Amino acid sequence: EDKVVQSPLSLVVHEGDTVTLNCSYEVTNFRSLLWYKQEKKAPTFLFMLTSSGIEKKSGRLSSILDKKELSSILNITATQTGDSAIYLCAVASNYQLIWGAGTKLIIKP
Amino acid sequence: EADIYQTPRYLVIGTGKKITLECSQTMGHDKMYWYQQDPGMELHLIHYSYGVNSTEKGDLSSESTVSRIRTEHFPLTLESARPSHTSQYLCASSDPQVGEKLFFGSGTQLSVL
Repeated sequence: EDKVVQSPLSLVVHEGDTVTLNCSYEVTNFRSLLWYKQEKKAPTFLFMLTSSGIEKKSGRLSSILDKKELSSILNITATQTGDSAIYLCAVASNYQLIWGAGTKLIIKP
Repeated sequence: EADIYQTPRYLVIGTGKKITLECSQTMGHDKMYWYQQDPGMELHLIHYSYGVNSTEKGDLSSESTVSRIRTEHFPLTLESARPSHTSQYLCASSDPQVGEKLFFGSGTQLSVL
């Protein structure tokens, strides 16, 4: 059965810290891996990683796909209170997306 | 501005009522989805559509139905709401030409008493 597992489930750090969120997967016919940020209700897109694009960066956020280890990490450097959110990982397999349960990140001032 | 809209944002209703959750997008996307999400849990796909007059059930068993008469509109209907339907419902759309990148609406938080 296809599955996506995120760790940790929750994380509390202080402003300015660097955090690393993990996403591991077991899916058939991997197509891509996506990261989303969910603050209040609507998840917003962060990155999409594929076999041809295994590393993405945008400002303080970056993500790497490790196809050998079947995992991905999302790094956030110099965290700010506005980074507090649930970070969701999803893997596209065949014609569907399989979602992880998310990592709840809390940034303390 | 291209976007995806859901109404209502919050809904509290009694058991047995029929309800329709609205979802509209102005991006011209062919593919649309309905997800159910409980706190701390994964998103579960309940319905999706490849385009007009196309609807499919997702992996989560649901007592809801959907319709897709227009590209931009993808409403979800519960014929008889029950407390077990209490959850957040998220609508999304995507452009298959761009891959699996989904655009989400703000969600409807449904509470059935």
